Amino acid sequence: DTAVSQTPKYLVTQMGNDKSIKCEQNLGHDTMYWYKQDSKKFLKIMFSYNNKELIINETVPNRFSPKSPDKAHLNLHINSLELGDSAVYFCASSQDGALRAFFGQGTRLTVV
Amino acid sequence: GDSVTQMEGPVTLSEEAFLTINCTYTATGYPSLFWYVQYPGEGLQLLLKATKADDKGSNKGFEATYRKETTSFHLEKGSVQVSDSAVYFCALSTGNQFYFGTGTSLTVIP
Repeated sequence: DTAVSQTPKYLVTQMGNDKSIKCEQNLGHDTMYWYKQDSKKFLKIMFSYNNKELIINETVPNRFSPKSPDKAHLNLHINSLELGDSAVYFCASSQDGALRAFFGQGTRLTVV
Repeated sequence: GDSVTQMEGPVTLSEEAFLTINCTYTATGYPSLFWYVQYPGEGLQLLLKATKADDKGSNKGFEATYRKETTSFHLEKGSVQVSDSAVYFCALSTGNQFYFGTGTSLTVIP
């Protein structure tokens, strides 16, 4: 049973396209996150979302938008993809207020 | 499948105490191993890594040795400081996939 699952694992697409990465957690957690891993393996938080509040890292371009159809899902939509968007994106979840988190396995996005 | 297990915590230590956070892994093949640190309100920073058996990663006084025989990568520091208070994540990578532990919260009190 995968606690946090992301799809797809790999995504190759052309510049200018719009794409989505899906994330689902079956842990009943209140809060979900999206992280972007840079070339130095630093994971930068992009969004955190629970049923009360969306917190957006102000450095994230507005081409990126999270969408949560329900508590168990937080999908990442990216419009007008750019070469610099190529990275590994991680979804994670935690119980509201907890410090521990469960991570998905990552989605490697390559923009060509 | 591949996975990482780390001690749950939370861990509370006095300043200058010795720190060990246990991490064990299950993997097919030969993974690379990592420790990440997350300070309050920030993303995860790579703290140290080791790419093959018997390698020792070290940074900021923290060390971890890749032990293939015990499938472990325990994080240690000889003398913790208040500024080390954070959440620590163990992780492994096999090619393009990352597997994270669930994190261990460390609080260091003066």
